[in-house]
Amino acid sequence: ILNVEQSPQSLHVQEGDSTNFTCSFPSSNFYALHWYRWETAKSPEALFVMTLNGDEKKKGRISATLNTKEGYSYLYIKGSQPEDSATYLCAPGGDGNNRKLIWGLGTSLAVNP
Amino acid sequence: EAQVTQNPRYLITVTGKKLTVTCSQNMNHEYMSWYRQDPGLGLRQIYYSMNVEVTDKGDVPEGYKVSRKEKRNFPLILESPSPNQTSLYFCASRGAGRGYGYTFGSGTRLTVV
Repeated sequence: ILNVEQSPQSLHVQEGDSTNFTCSFPSSNFYALHWYRWETAKSPEALFVMTLNGDEKKKGRISATLNTKEGYSYLYIKGSQPEDSATYLCAPGGDGNNRKLIWGLGTSLAVNP
Repeated sequence: EAQVTQNPRYLITVTGKKLTVTCSQNMNHEYMSWYRQDPGLGLRQIYYSMNVEVTDKGDVPEGYKVSRKEKRNFPLILESPSPNQTSLYFCASRGAGRGYGYTFGSGTRLTVV
């Protein structure tokens, strides 16, 4: 896996809006895909690790889906709250010995109260 | 509390003065990695370790050394720091299974003058 693209680069929404982001990656040699949430002045925090095509995972108002055949994952946030403001990173990993993750640049979300 | 402890949080040093950033995890994780974060770039892996005495280079290993003598500790050593190593550094660990996400340390902001 050589290249990861996340879109949009940044997003401003109003409190209560639902939103979604995309992570695109080459579909060959897929092993796992990680989503992380990174708040300013803090460390990245794991949200989901997805391993199977068609996976759907949910944590509270946040959910994610995975399509390994076409090489994309969506992250959804339902009813955004100001505390959701953060950068959301995706990182697919290949099946090499390192299982190395390739990190996207993230989608920066700002939720206005 | 399960955590990755990284020290120091902030460090300003001079070119050529050897330094060590410590990293310790209490979760019995096999995998440990060092990353650096620079503006406009995704997280880049410096070195990783898959277990005790097993380490290998990541994407940007030049100028760094690591060791893994014990499972819990994975220090990052800069033998002769240079200004281009000014960056935000993260240590992270995870279990060896496919579904494990990384737990990150709190980060070290290093400035080399």
